[in-house]
Amino acid sequence: EAQVTQNPRYLITVTGKKLTVTCSQNMNHEYMSWYRQDPGLGLRQIYYSMNVEVTDKGDVPEGYKVSRKEKRNFPLILESPSPNQTSLYFCASTSTGFASLAKNIQYFGAGTRLSVL
Amino acid sequence: QQQVKQSPQSLIVQKGGISIINCAYENTAFDYFPWYQQFPGKGPALLIAIRPDVSEKKEGRFTISFNKSAKQFSLHIMDSQPGDSATYFCAASNSAGANNLFFGTGTRLTVIP
Repeated sequence: EAQVTQNPRYLITVTGKKLTVTCSQNMNHEYMSWYRQDPGLGLRQIYYSMNVEVTDKGDVPEGYKVSRKEKRNFPLILESPSPNQTSLYFCASTSTGFASLAKNIQYFGAGTRLSVL
Repeated sequence: QQQVKQSPQSLIVQKGGISIINCAYENTAFDYFPWYQQFPGKGPALLIAIRPDVSEKKEGRFTISFNKSAKQFSLHIMDSQPGDSATYFCAASNSAGANNLFFGTGTRLTVIP
């Protein structure tokens, strides 16, 4: 079954304590991205990766880091979390190629709800 | 700056009615317009998508209407059902660019039995 797996699903931490949210996909997709979802703001892209070792900033990258050492994994790292990073985070993996609408589909993980106290 | 503007923020519809959600964009380079559906506790999932070479795309009870000159597109849900209650996001991307999806702010749809 095609899926994007995020862990953990829920996380409560304190300001300044480094954390990592893992993301793994089994679809051999090259393109992966991280979003945060906040009420009234929709989904905002944090970082994306077009392939292994190729990452770039999205709309709201401040306070976040990512790495892409393997094709299937794309962890999100918060080196020093702050309360304004309390949010719902989604990892997504995209089937690329533009020949038809069957491609260009973003598959989302189930989300990680993070609270920073 | 919101690249894709979505309205309304919330919508309540009677069972059997038509739900309409509207989106507008400014970037004329966008050439792919999907709609995502999100149920509580789940990630968004692709519902239906359109490219600007057609003005309408229909899949079952869901229809996208696209107006290229007005830079607007909308989702119509015919015969709305309580199981359609979810948050809907429109999005847009430029397939010639980095393929990043820009999402609207979402519409929370509630279908009353």
